[in-house]
Amino acid sequence: DTGVSQNPRHKITKRGQNVTFRCDPISEHNRLYWYRQTLGQGPEFLTYFQNEAQLEKSRLLSDRFSAERPKGSFSTLEIQRTEQGDSAMYLCASSVTTGYDEQYFGPGTRLTVT
Amino acid sequence: DQQVKQNSPSLSVQEGRISILNCDYTNSMFDYFLWYKKYPAEGPTFLISISSIKDKNEDGRFTVFLNKSAKHLSLHIVPSQPGDSAVYFCAASAIGTYKYIFGTGTRLKVLA
Repeated sequence: DTGVSQNPRHKITKRGQNVTFRCDPISEHNRLYWYRQTLGQGPEFLTYFQNEAQLEKSRLLSDRFSAERPKGSFSTLEIQRTEQGDSAMYLCASSVTTGYDEQYFGPGTRLTVT
Repeated sequence: DQQVKQNSPSLSVQEGRISILNCDYTNSMFDYFLWYKKYPAEGPTFLISISSIKDKNEDGRFTVFLNKSAKHLSLHIVPSQPGDSAVYFCAASAIGTYKYIFGTGTRLKVLA
């Protein structure tokens, strides 16, 4: 396992459509995080899972956003009724559960809403 | 409210010299700090971290300094190399949470 993978790498969609992104974490990592990054900003936290449990959600995560990690392995992030303001890079990260632990990021999925 | 601030959007340094990147934070509950490096079209890559019980951590050419009273940390890269050219993000995590709060980044350019 060489790292966190994300699919697709790029997604262009029309406003109002639904999109789903997938993240496959490093295999022995049981924490998984989603962040969003817009131009000129650092990554902003959206949500995180420990195994299959979603333990924290940011207020940035409106009710149009939903994330799942059904078997504690891969995760999906779905955005319903996309808006132009959803255009961003969506980053996934994973880490092990040992006190202070570094998060390892995937390459991201760039979403463009037209 | 930007809890982690990187006030220098860019920095240029000659190859072989020291690069110093700065980061300020406002939340006194932060107890773990990290630096990430990001190349275009890639996700951030972990570089070095420091917990609040320390004031310095070294890893090869990279050293992070933490000044808790000033709520300030810095990353020193010595000697700087052209391959270090990237955007550097400072991040912090608060006690009892696992999410990171990132700064806006500093673009470092190392000139050959």
